[in-house]
Amino acid sequence: GAGVSQSPSNKVTEKGKDVELRCDPISGHTALYWYRQSLGQGLEFLIYFQGNSAPDKSGLPSDRFSAERTGGSVSTLTIQRTQQEDSAVYLCASSPRQGTHEQYFGPGTRLTVT
Amino acid sequence: GNSVTQMEGPVTLSEEAFLTINCTYTATGYPSLFWYVQYPGEGLQLLLKATKADDKGSNKGFEATYRKETTSFHLEKGSVQVSDSAVYFCALSRTQGGSEKLVFGKGTKLTVNP
Repeated sequence: GAGVSQSPSNKVTEKGKDVELRCDPISGHTALYWYRQSLGQGLEFLIYFQGNSAPDKSGLPSDRFSAERTGGSVSTLTIQRTQQEDSAVYLCASSPRQGTHEQYFGPGTRLTVT
Repeated sequence: GNSVTQMEGPVTLSEEAFLTINCTYTATGYPSLFWYVQYPGEGLQLLLKATKADDKGSNKGFEATYRKETTSFHLEKGSVQVSDSAVYFCALSRTQGGSEKLVFGKGTKLTVNP
């Protein structure tokens, strides 16, 4: 079946612009996660959605970052007023339900802020 | 807090050599433990997992045993192939406050030469 998909695969933006990154999880998966992979910081958790529960936003690095998940499916990660340190690969993952602890990752969006 | 420490790379081996990548963790309670692999140009893939003490996860000739007494989850393979060249990440996951997230080690790059 179809895996986690993310778009765009690559995004180049100018410093100060806003960007939106999209994630389509595996159909039927109730949990969705965003992570960031950068050379200096490795893989960092950003945010977690589970069903209709309030999301865990504890990993978002600043208030320029936000995410939403509409209809329990597609998610959008928004970065406002991008900075060069936001350059990284943004990974989305989904999981069938809480408690399985298995996460299936998308191919990522490579964001470059110039 | 929860953390994962894995041996720094890069690791370079000849084909058919024995592989060990060390991983230790710090966590409250009883986390689930994982190895993820990232092949060149591809996304993160779950390689194997173990959910409780003394469990052995295995896949594609790789093995790792959940050792609670030493808080370790070392990855081993008896005979590596060129196709095993990739970056390997050790990770843990716990359900805390209704949230689940993966905490990753920094990754170990493995290169296998013919």
